[in-house]
Amino acid sequence: KAGVTQTPRYLIKTRGQQVTLSCSPISGHRSVSWYQQTPGQGLQFLFEYFSETQRNKGNFPGRFSGRQFSNSRSEMNVSTLELGDSALYLCASSWGGGPNTEAFFGQGTRLTVV
Amino acid sequence: DQQVKQNSPSLSVQEGRISILNCDYTNSMFDYFLWYKKYPAEGPTFLISISSIKDKNEDGRFTVFLNKSAKHLSLHIVPSQPGDSAVYFCAASGAGGGTSYGKLTFGQGTILTVHP
Repeated sequence: KAGVTQTPRYLIKTRGQQVTLSCSPISGHRSVSWYQQTPGQGLQFLFEYFSETQRNKGNFPGRFSGRQFSNSRSEMNVSTLELGDSALYLCASSWGGGPNTEAFFGQGTRLTVV
Repeated sequence: DQQVKQNSPSLSVQEGRISILNCDYTNSMFDYFLWYKKYPAEGPTFLISISSIKDKNEDGRFTVFLNKSAKHLSLHIVPSQPGDSAVYFCAASGAGGGTSYGKLTFGQGTILTVHP
């Protein structure tokens, strides 16, 4: 069974640009969550999608957005990039996203903003 | 407000000995806890979990203990192996209602080094 796949693995963008990251969950998993990992803040929850609907959202500005498609694949978008957006972005999938389920992570996308 | 805390930034143990990683939480609504292992520039790998209705869960060399009254959990690795060297994250979920969907709250991590 294939794991969670994130593309691309690495990205370099310029301040002010926008970026789209992609996540393909484990087959059969309908919940996809996104996290940002930085040295200072650790792993921070961005948002969660289930059946193409955003069910939960963390404390990030509106420049961070996402969507989920009917095949459960998800994308996240960051507009007007800032230097502080440089981070490892991780996607996690689970069967239902409920509170008592394990989440499985992809390899992450390393975003560098210059 | 850090709701999940791993107070030891690092831990060093000898191969074959026990590694004990600790985690404290403050939110009494958390009812499910997980441990992940992470290598640099990779995603976390799920290790083991425990529900708040249990106080212990074992999987091979890994055992997680939960003390609800103290809001404390620990991960025991026995025996420790050099390949266990990584960053270990404690995570919690279940903070109530819609705010719990798909959300894990992570500790800051503990770097485990196992020496041959």
